[in-house]
Amino acid sequence: SAVISQKPSRDICQRGTSLTIQCQVDSQVTMMFWYRQQPGQSLTLIATANQGSEATYESGFVIDKFPISRPNLTFSTLTVSNMSPEDSSIYLCSVEDRHGYEQYFGPGTRLTVT
Amino acid sequence: AQSVAQPEDQVNVAEGNPLTVKCTYSVSGNPYLFWYVQYPNRGLQFLLKYITGDNLVKGSYGFEAEFNKSQTSFHLKKPSALVSDSALYFCAVKNDYKLSFGAGTTVTVRA
Repeated sequence: SAVISQKPSRDICQRGTSLTIQCQVDSQVTMMFWYRQQPGQSLTLIATANQGSEATYESGFVIDKFPISRPNLTFSTLTVSNMSPEDSSIYLCSVEDRHGYEQYFGPGTRLTVT
Repeated sequence: AQSVAQPEDQVNVAEGNPLTVKCTYSVSGNPYLFWYVQYPNRGLQFLLKYITGDNLVKGSYGFEAEFNKSQTSFHLKKPSALVSDSALYFCAVKNDYKLSFGAGTTVTVRA
């Protein structure tokens, strides 16, 4: 299984600011995924990021709010822009195994917006 | 559209008793089904999956799940629960490359 790390592990931010979350994988992967887990809720897919192409966003998520970079096969960033308290969530990075079945998740970034 | 339902928000069992966490799914085509566990302040950990083959799937930490096509269910089971099994459990279904998660079931195992 892939080992995934995320930075920062947690942060407290003021409304109106932006935070960039980094995701590093210990092996090359084609697809990387970003999820949001709001307090007491399940996981919701924000977008899928393939290296060398624009990220694909799910309904309800837009690039202006959640810009994503995927500069290589082991790294991705998610920015949460112009934050409001409603953005307080855990943000998780995920990758698929090479067979395309299992997804492995990073430890998450716990974001609190005040 | 694909979806999963976890009908129980919480499951409480005594240590040593059997544990069952329920999941039903709705998907067009053949389902790829998964169970994940989330411990407090930790990320999601993969428990097991059903892709094809034997309906009884064995996974990590002594967990198993039974795929039932006629009932569109994929219940998670453990014959003898441990206090350390207390966590949040998610069922998920995969269609193409997208995972859709259930709402989650909080399991509490009391000593």
